[in-house]
Amino acid sequence: DAGVIQSPRHEVTEMGQEVTLRCKPISGHDYLFWYRQTMMRGLELLIYFNNNVPIDDSGMPEDRFSAKMPNASFSTLKIQPSEPRDSAVYFCASSFPELYGYTFGSGTRLTVV
Amino acid sequence: GENVEQHPSTLSVQEGDSAVIKCTYSDSASNYFPWYKQELGKGPQLIIDIRSNVGEKKDQRIAVTLNKTAKHFSLHITETQPEDSAVYFCAASKANRDDKIIFGKGTRLHILP
Repeated sequence: DAGVIQSPRHEVTEMGQEVTLRCKPISGHDYLFWYRQTMMRGLELLIYFNNNVPIDDSGMPEDRFSAKMPNASFSTLKIQPSEPRDSAVYFCASSFPELYGYTFGSGTRLTVV
Repeated sequence: GENVEQHPSTLSVQEGDSAVIKCTYSDSASNYFPWYKQELGKGPQLIIDIRSNVGEKKDQRIAVTLNKTAKHFSLHITETQPEDSAVYFCAASKANRDDKIIFGKGTRLHILP
């Protein structure tokens, strides 16, 4: 199993540009989570899906952030327009129905200049 | 909602000594407590978890203890090795399939030669 796959690994963009982060969960996992990690705030849950349906998006910081899961094998997190304070590592994680632990991807390090 | 506090934020121990990381939680309904290890440049990885029906669980050099009355739980690493150097996160949830896992802020563990 290749695990949770995120792309790109690193993204550098200019303020105001649109950024799209991608995630492929582990096959058979029905939950998908998007987290943001910074030194100041630690791991923050942004949004999570169950069977491709968003369950809780209360962690999405503002309307500039949006997430979609068009099918069971793909999800995107979009930031439009991006700002320097969005710089962080963004993690995707997925979970199997009978287990409670999450499997995290390797993350996307986003730098907005 | 649930709040998880983790201490210390940084811990340095001599190789071969033991390390202890402590966490408290606020929601008495929480019943699932995972621990994650994050190595540099990687996503957090589940290393051990405990459910509220047990007070202690061991896996080789790693053990977790849970005190539901006091609402605190701890990670114990014995005979520490250089590869134990990482950031460790505790977390808590109600293990309801639609309940999210709440993470502590993390402990950076340094194993000194």
